[in-house]
Amino acid sequence: ILNVEQSPQSLHVQEGDSTNFTCSFPSSNFYALHWYRWETAKSPEALFVMTLNGDEKKKGRISATLNTKEGYSYLYIKGSQPEDSATYLCASLNSGYSTLTFGKGTMLLVSP
Amino acid sequence: DSGVTQTPKHLITATGQRVTLRCSPRSGDLSVYWYQQSLDQGLQFLIQYYNGEERAKGNILERFSAQQFPDLHSELNLSSLELGDSALYFCASSVEYRGGKLFFGSGTQLSVL
Repeated sequence: ILNVEQSPQSLHVQEGDSTNFTCSFPSSNFYALHWYRWETAKSPEALFVMTLNGDEKKKGRISATLNTKEGYSYLYIKGSQPEDSATYLCASLNSGYSTLTFGKGTMLLVSP
Repeated sequence: DSGVTQTPKHLITATGQRVTLRCSPRSGDLSVYWYQQSLDQGLQFLIQYYNGEERAKGNILERFSAQQFPDLHSELNLSSLELGDSALYFCASSVEYRGGKLFFGSGTQLSVL
């Protein structure tokens, strides 16, 4: 079983704070790393798909980096807003495994 | 709207019963995935179909089965239901065979009483 770990499990910040969370995955036979945002009462929505070591992706105030050699990815949110409140999921795909393995997510709450 | 349609949104049934969950993928997507989300668990992969063929299998119970039809819609059949099968079941679709961005449906909340 592929082990994908996310930390912290939950996070509570104030509006305007910048924050970041971590996704750890096995570095061996790496193929792709996905980030999804899952808002309450909705379905997960893709943020980024990253494949190359050193990859950096950005979407508005949200960005992500990827280190495939050491097996981690960071997700950054600059100037958090209440609408950023959601669970952020990462998922890793490694060769030898048939499909994505999801972490349990980081639950972010942004207070006004 | 992801373009993936799942029905029904909610399902309440009794132990021992059988239910069918339905999923229509985004137009043009050939891959359909089924996931189970239960309390304290992450998204658990159940099964994937690609263009009508079973491509990958996760920790899917023998009481569960799925298929993808020629029009690419998929059904997940859950039988001999137990209390522990209560969960949120997601369908997702992707254009790629492997590793592509997933587009999720709104899910079916199954309650087994």
